[in-house]
Amino acid sequence: GENVEQHPSTLSVQEGDSAVIKCTYSDSASNYFPWYKQELGKRPQLIIDIRSNVGEKKDQRIAVTLNKTAKHFSLHITETQPEDSAVYFCAAIEANQAGTALIFGKGTTLSVSS
Amino acid sequence: ETGVTQSPTHLIKTRGQQVTLRCSSQSGHNTVSWYQQALGQGPQFIFQYYREEENGRGNFPPRFSGLQFPNYSSELNVNALELDDSALYLCASSLDYRGLSFFGQGTRLTVV
Repeated sequence: GENVEQHPSTLSVQEGDSAVIKCTYSDSASNYFPWYKQELGKRPQLIIDIRSNVGEKKDQRIAVTLNKTAKHFSLHITETQPEDSAVYFCAAIEANQAGTALIFGKGTTLSVSS
Repeated sequence: ETGVTQSPTHLIKTRGQQVTLRCSSQSGHNTVSWYQQALGQGPQFIFQYYREEENGRGNFPPRFSGLQFPNYSSELNVNALELDDSALYLCASSLDYRGLSFFGQGTRLTVV
């Protein structure tokens, strides 16, 4: 089945800096890669996603890149702000049998200091 | 807000007891997935329901079971609770089994 590895586990940046979180996946059949942001005590919130027919997608200060050959994808946050502080999870969809499951990485705790 | 609601928000149970958690999916969504999120970990897939049928299952024992109703709301049942079942239980709904998943706020289950 699918396995998703996420690095780093913690990331501290100064306000205004960029932050990059990287994930690798194992199943070459995976075709959908969402990123979720989870603030303390709250639900995971979808912030951006990418499908395997696209190499890059951008939404304001957030971008995601996908390298299908190397089986890795990354989240890029530019001009970080204190409100970006949260746990970020990458995920890959596992298209097993009829159903599809999101397989999550272990998360990256991002701290943005002002 | 995602339109996905879960109840209850918090629950304390004793080891060996049974628990039922509920999820109302977003309007128009026919697929519900359940995840277990232990403290400091990413969500782990339990199972998925699509049009009232189980449509995929993760590595969880049979004492984790579920239902989906004609209005696409869903229940997660856990029998013979163990201490390690203490976690945040999240449901996510999507338009179909391939679609974007939106999470509810979760049920925090504590087993003592």
